[in-house]
Amino acid sequence: GQNIDQPTEMTATEGAIVQINCTYQTSGFNGLFWYQQHAGEAPTFLSYNVLDGLEEKGRFSSFLSRSKGYSYLLLKELQMKDSASYLCAVMTTDSWGKLQFGAGTQVVVTP
Amino acid sequence: DVKVTQSSRYLVKRTGEKVFLECVQDMDHENMFWYRQDPGLGLRLIYFSYDVKMKEKGDIPEGYSVSREKKERFSLILESASTNQTSMYLCASSGDRGLEKLFFGSGTQLSVL
Repeated sequence: GQNIDQPTEMTATEGAIVQINCTYQTSGFNGLFWYQQHAGEAPTFLSYNVLDGLEEKGRFSSFLSRSKGYSYLLLKELQMKDSASYLCAVMTTDSWGKLQFGAGTQVVVTP
Repeated sequence: DVKVTQSSRYLVKRTGEKVFLECVQDMDHENMFWYRQDPGLGLRLIYFSYDVKMKEKGDIPEGYSVSREKKERFSLILESASTNQTSMYLCASSGDRGLEKLFFGSGTQLSVL
């Protein structure tokens, strides 16, 4: 099976930068996803990485190192609405279409 | 936009009851999934389906069954609800096999008393 680890909670102030790390141990890696989930709402897709490197999408960026089994999600210019849980999820070659999720990181943005 | 609709936002059931959770998607997606979400454990896959009348067990299928009679609808069934099945249940869908992102419904918070 997969082992996916991410911090439980992080706190940052409005306008700051926060980096959420995700480490995974898996065989047959086939991509890593980040989702955002506001309290009481459905998770929504943020990013997908399958090759090493940085993918930038506005204020959010996601990085992947396959050799290290490591990814991070970088949130810049934090806004209050970024307070949410951020879910790291891995797809493997033997789990076609399925995602294995980490427990999620609760980000709290303070004024 | 893809819409995944779960029939109930909140449900309260008694131990031993048979419970049906319904999920409908409107984007003609082949793949549908049922996850449960518990604090500290994240999302865990219960069952999934790649096609009509097809189902496969996920990581925690015990105590659950599913039905997919039509492409757009995927039902989760708790044959005899137990208190340890109190949880948030999330349905998701994706298109084609492979590297497709999941679209989630808003979830059903089930309480079994």
